[in-house]
Amino acid sequence: QLHLQESGPGLVKPSETLSLTCTVSGGSVSSSSYYWGWIRQPPGKGLEWIATIYHSGSTYYNPSLKSRLSISVDTSKNQFSLRLSSLTAADTAVYYCARLAGRYYSDYWGQGSLVIVSS
Amino acid sequence: DIQMTQSPSSVSASVGDRVTITCRASQTIISWLAWYQQKPGKAPKLLIHGASTLQSGVPSRFSGSGSGTDFTLTISSLQPEDFATYYCQQTNSFPLTFGGGTKVEIK
Repeated sequence: QLHLQESGPGLVKPSETLSLTCTVSGGSVSSSSYYWGWIRQPPGKGLEWIATIYHSGSTYYNPSLKSRLSISVDTSKNQFSLRLSSLTAADTAVYYCARLAGRYYSDYWGQGSLVIVSS
Repeated sequence: DIQMTQSPSSVSASVGDRVTITCRASQTIISWLAWYQQKPGKAPKLLIHGASTLQSGVPSRFSGSGSGTDFTLTISSLQPEDFATYYCQQTNSFPLTFGGGTKVEIK
């Protein structure tokens, strides 16, 4: 059974850079059948797609965040990661990692990692 | 970017009711639409992809229809465990975008 687990700092200061990692078990990030991605959800609000990556390194970013974003994959550790710079309070959210199957639908999700941006 | 508009934003219904949620895309997405269910404090769960393909393990009371720009999620007979928030997502092209969500509440 596929399992995704986010890991990250929980609390970060404004203007700093957030680094999140998603560890995949029960499957491989090197699979040619899937993409891997990040979605976030501010408290009490809806879902926002952030970024997606393929094992080859092809990346897709939300244009509204692109200038601050970087997504990467580490096939040796079976992980993929997100970096978001120049944080503000508006970046406070639960960050989910997910597997994208078929035509980019998210069929497996991590449990989510709450990130609070505050001094 | 393709904008996704869901309606209604909330609906009150009783167990056994038929519930319909609508999602409209700002341009054609063919049939590349997914529906998710989210309960408080939990990650979203995939219900339907490709507008009408039921994800494995999802009860058959859930169904999806539509193509082009207009789509519908129907719950044929609402069960207690179905009270949740539902989101549509276009998966036709990047950037992937979600609808604003529909909260299904107990009447």
